[in-house]
Amino acid sequence: SQQGEEDPQALSIQEGENATMNCSYKTSINNLQWYRQNSGRGLVHLILIRSNEREKHSGRLRVTLDTSKKSSSLLITASRAADTASYFCATDATGGAQKLVFGQGTRLTINP
Amino acid sequence: NAGVMQNPRHLVRRRGQEARLRCSPMKGHSHVYWYRQLPEEGLKFMVYLQKENIIDESGMPKERFSAEFPKEGPSILRIQQVVRGDSAAYFCASSPRGQGLSYEQYFGPGTRLTVT
Repeated sequence: SQQGEEDPQALSIQEGENATMNCSYKTSINNLQWYRQNSGRGLVHLILIRSNEREKHSGRLRVTLDTSKKSSSLLITASRAADTASYFCATDATGGAQKLVFGQGTRLTINP
Repeated sequence: NAGVMQNPRHLVRRRGQEARLRCSPMKGHSHVYWYRQLPEEGLKFMVYLQKENIIDESGMPKERFSAEFPKEGPSILRIQQVVRGDSAAYFCASSPRGQGLSYEQYFGPGTRLTVT
């Protein structure tokens, strides 16, 4: 079964606004990671949140994890044009060999 | 500390040829993962290797695909007799630890394979 379904698939907002992306998954996890991918480029690791954590901050990023609902959210505050990218959540299932299972991603566009 | 290195960045092959993709993990990382990304999709796990060992190859197609991570040198993903459906971006990731622990995976820039 597929893990890491992102919602929405695409999001377009004005510069300076906050952007929220959600991720749902299906099985128990060790951790959940968020990555950014600019068009045609590699993935940049943003943040890792472990299954026993509920919230984590890094600069303008805030990630929450609700294991009871099997969901996570990524909030980018005070968005900038440079935040335009695709954002993926990836889960690492418990008992697994740490292979990451990615969702389809949210394409975020920040309009200047 | 250099990041994960992949080469070539772009590779064009005709149907039936072989493709060899190389990945050098970050310094100090002994665990390597290969993922494939089709256009407009997320990454799909292919294989997880440690030095001289394949730990999990559950995402590898049964035929034509193989991977290795020798004691010396980069990890190699090899695709024999390529077909058009193999056209994709192939990403390598590395981490300092693996099975049973939670560590970030750091990704390389990818190799974009085009089969003509």
